[in-house]
Amino acid sequence: AQSVTQLGSHVSVSEGALVLLRCNYSSSVPPYLFWYVQYPNQGLQLLLKYTSAATLVKGINGFEAEFKKSETSFHLTKPSAHMSDAAEYFCAVSEGVGSQGNLIFGKGTKLSVKP
Amino acid sequence: NAGVTQTPKFQVLKTGQSMTLQCAQDMNHNSMYWYRQDPGMGLRLIYYSASEGTTDKGEVPNGYNVSRLNKREFSLRLESAAPSQTSVYFCASSAKTGGRETQYFGPGTRLLVL
Repeated sequence: AQSVTQLGSHVSVSEGALVLLRCNYSSSVPPYLFWYVQYPNQGLQLLLKYTSAATLVKGINGFEAEFKKSETSFHLTKPSAHMSDAAEYFCAVSEGVGSQGNLIFGKGTKLSVKP
Repeated sequence: NAGVTQTPKFQVLKTGQSMTLQCAQDMNHNSMYWYRQDPGMGLRLIYYSASEGTTDKGEVPNGYNVSRLNKREFSLRLESAAPSQTSVYFCASSAKTGGRETQYFGPGTRLLVL
C-alpha cells in the first residue's frame, strides 16, 4: 500500500534562507510523485511532478525536488525563501493511472517565512 | 479556460439538511475526484470517477453520494449532513501527461454543519 510521510507539520525559515521540506514515500511499484502548494483559502496548485526522465525535478517559483530511490524520498527545496512562499505544501504519491492513479497525500507542511 | 470550478464557495447547514456540491471542468479530462481536507489530515479521497458513467469509492465515502452527470460535471451530495462533515471540499480532474495522471484542483467549498 502506498503512503506518504511529511516530516514536520510546521517549518519556519528566514527570508533568503534555504527551504527544505521533507517527504518520504512507500510504494510497491515505481511511484509517481507530486508536490502541491496551497495558499491560504485557495485550492491546491501543482508545483512539480516526478517523471522517470530525471531524478532532479524543477518546478514553478524556483522550487525543485530530488527523487532518491535508495532513501524513498522526494524532498522539496528552494535555495532562497521569499515571503510569498508562505503556504502549506503537500507531497503526494500515486502508482499509475485509473484507480491506481489516485493520489495519496501527506498531511502537509506549513511553511512560514520570517522577514 | 476556467479550469475546475466549484459552487458554492461557502455553505452553512444544519444537522440533517441535505445539499449538493457542484464541480465542473472545461479541460476535457476523463477522471474527476472529490476530496475533503481537515486540519492535520491532508486530503482524503471521498469518491472518484475514472470516466463518464462510472464512479468508485475512495477512502472516506460514508455519508456521501456522487453523480457523474456528463464528462464536465461531477457532483457530491450530502443526504443528511452531520457535524463531522464540516470540512473543506475540493474537486479535481486529471489528465494523463507524460504517462502519468496529473490532478488539477478547484478552489474548494467550505462547509460548516451546525
